[in-house]
Amino acid sequence: DAGVIQSPRHEVTEMGQEVTLRCKPISGHDYLFWYRQTMMRGLELLIYFNNNVPIDDSGMPEDRFSAKMPNASFSTLKIQPSEPRDSAVYFCASSLTLAGGYEQFFGPGTRLTVL
Amino acid sequence: AQSVTQPDIHITVSEGASLELRCNYSYGATPYLFWYVQSPGQGLQLLLKYFSGDTLVQGIKGFEAEFKRSQSSFNLRKPSVHWSDAAEYFCAVALIQGAQKLVFGQGTRLTINP
Repeated sequence: DAGVIQSPRHEVTEMGQEVTLRCKPISGHDYLFWYRQTMMRGLELLIYFNNNVPIDDSGMPEDRFSAKMPNASFSTLKIQPSEPRDSAVYFCASSLTLAGGYEQFFGPGTRLTVL
Repeated sequence: AQSVTQPDIHITVSEGASLELRCNYSYGATPYLFWYVQSPGQGLQLLLKYFSGDTLVQGIKGFEAEFKRSQSSFNLRKPSVHWSDAAEYFCAVALIQGAQKLVFGQGTRLTINP
């Protein structure tokens, strides 16, 4: 398996622009997580899905952020409009219930820079 | 509120020396416990986990961790570090109910001196 795939790996955009981050989880995994990592705040859980359904979005910072999972093999995290304080590394992770022992497998991350 | 504390932001050790990274958690009950490692520019990789049973857990890359209920700690150890161990290390916990949601510590950056 190729592991969790994220695209793009790097994104540079200007304030006010829309940004879409993409994630393909490991095939067969039923949980998908979006995290944000910054020096100041560390690793934060933004939202997670179970069987494509959002379970907990309490970590989403504000309405400018939205996430979707239209099917088991694809998820997006969208920021509209983007702001400089959104600059961070965004990770996607997936896991498999019970038999997977709750281990989360992380993608390589998308480094977002908002100018 | 549930929390995870890694007291050491940055640790430097010499290659071949032993290592211990500290992790303390604050919960009403024993949670599931994890250690992850993040190499520069990469995502996190699971080193080891503790759910129940033997309190000394063996992981990948020669790491081990010991769960101490009385101290609410889950410290990570390695008897002899290698230059390739330089990375950031994260302790994480999950409540048994809702175990899919992890809470991470702030991380400890490990530097290895040659």
